[in-house]
Amino acid sequence: QVQLVQSGAEVKKPGASVKVSCKFSGHTRTELSIHWVRQTPGEGLEWMGGYDPEDGETAYAQNLQGRFTMTEDTSTDTAYMELSGLTSDDTATYYCAAEVYGGNFQYYFQFWGPGTLVTVSS
Amino acid sequence: DIQMTQSPSSLSSSVGDRVTITCRASQNIDHYLNWYQQKPGKAPKLLIYATSNLQSGVPSRFGGTGSGTTFTLSITNLQPEDFATYFCQQSSSAPRTFGQGTKVEI
Repeated sequence: QVQLVQSGAEVKKPGASVKVSCKFSGHTRTELSIHWVRQTPGEGLEWMGGYDPEDGETAYAQNLQGRFTMTEDTSTDTAYMELSGLTSDDTATYYCAAEVYGGNFQYYFQFWGPGTLVTVSS
Repeated sequence: DIQMTQSPSSLSSSVGDRVTITCRASQNIDHYLNWYQQKPGKAPKLLIYATSNLQSGVPSRFGGTGSGTTFTLSITNLQPEDFATYFCQQSSSAPRTFGQGTKVEI
């Protein structure tokens, strides 16, 4: 069973950066891709970035271009997201989600981390 | 980007009822549509993938239909544990996009 374990809650000041980790286990890494999704308080889900199987590259949400970076440490099976230039609008719960390929071009977020609350406040 | 629009935004229902949630895509996504359930303070949980395929362990009272641009999630014989927020999500292309959610309340 795939498990995604995320780092703990963070409080940051405006203008700072935050780095959140997501350690995965229980699955062959090459058979899933890690994406990041955030959810502002009381709001919906916003996809931030992840592997695009159509071109084999990491895709980022356009509104986060230049501020958002995804990396991975394959030696520890840990994925990271870093968001810079934080504002109060970035206060949200950040989830890592494992997208699984179910065959026949079917992709879905089958596994989710528990979420990491990032609060941006002066 | 493909825009996903859900309706209604919220609904009130009772145990034993049947509810239907609609999700519309701004362009043809074939059958590449997934549904998630989210309860307060918890991560979303995959319910249905590729329009109509029930994820393992999901009760058969959940069902999905549709193709192209219009999709529905139906819940028959609503149970107390089904009161939650439901999101659709397209996986036809990047960026992956979600609907805004439908809150099912008592």
